Amino acid sequence: SQQGEEDPQALSIQEGENATMNCSYKTSINNLQWYRQNSGRGLVHLILIRSNEREKHSGRLRVTLDTSKKSSSLLITASRAADTASYFCATGSYNQGGKLIFGQGTELSVKP
Amino acid sequence: DTEVTQTPKHLVMGMTNKKSLKCEQHMGHRAMYWYKQKAKKPPELMFVYSYEKLSINESVPSRFSPECPNSSLLNLHLHALQPEDSALYLCASSQNPSGRSESPLHFGNGTRLTVT
Repeated sequence: SQQGEEDPQALSIQEGENATMNCSYKTSINNLQWYRQNSGRGLVHLILIRSNEREKHSGRLRVTLDTSKKSSSLLITASRAADTASYFCATGSYNQGGKLIFGQGTELSVKP
Repeated sequence: DTEVTQTPKHLVMGMTNKKSLKCEQHMGHRAMYWYKQKAKKPPELMFVYSYEKLSINESVPSRFSPECPNSSLLNLHLHALQPEDSALYLCASSQNPSGRSESPLHFGNGTRLTVT
């Protein structure tokens, strides 16, 4: 079963602009992770935020988590054409017993 | 290049064929996973091996048979597949089972499977 809903489904921006993607989930979680997938490739782990954290940064990435609203957002600042990819959130929970449940994904296109 | 290696990259098989997908990691990870991904969809979990034992089977049809010969290798044996099984099959590994800890998944680049 898929827990996460992401919006927008697709996002097209110009290089240098910021990109924001949102993820909502349904059950309680222990952590939320974001992954990137380039076309035809495997997923690459970007960042993990624990349920007791509200914000985390990694380079040009900023992730927020609001457990009361069961939502997270991923902000990519100063986007580059190389950021063009699909982005997935994934939730981890002890209740899920080893499963990481992926959201539907956002397809980001950054135009040079 | 990823640290999880999958072979073959592409596979075309008929519905009566038997084939195997292979996955290898040398990071000392103790959990390994098979995911199936259709175009423009998220990965769907199929199987989880934890410490070389099958810990999760997401009600996958028996025409898919996983095997974990040792802690570095994971196979997926395929038999009598249907055209709707055509997809990208992704292998992943993590230090510990991901839902119980904070271990991120490391994915291979997948095997693109076409069933004719």
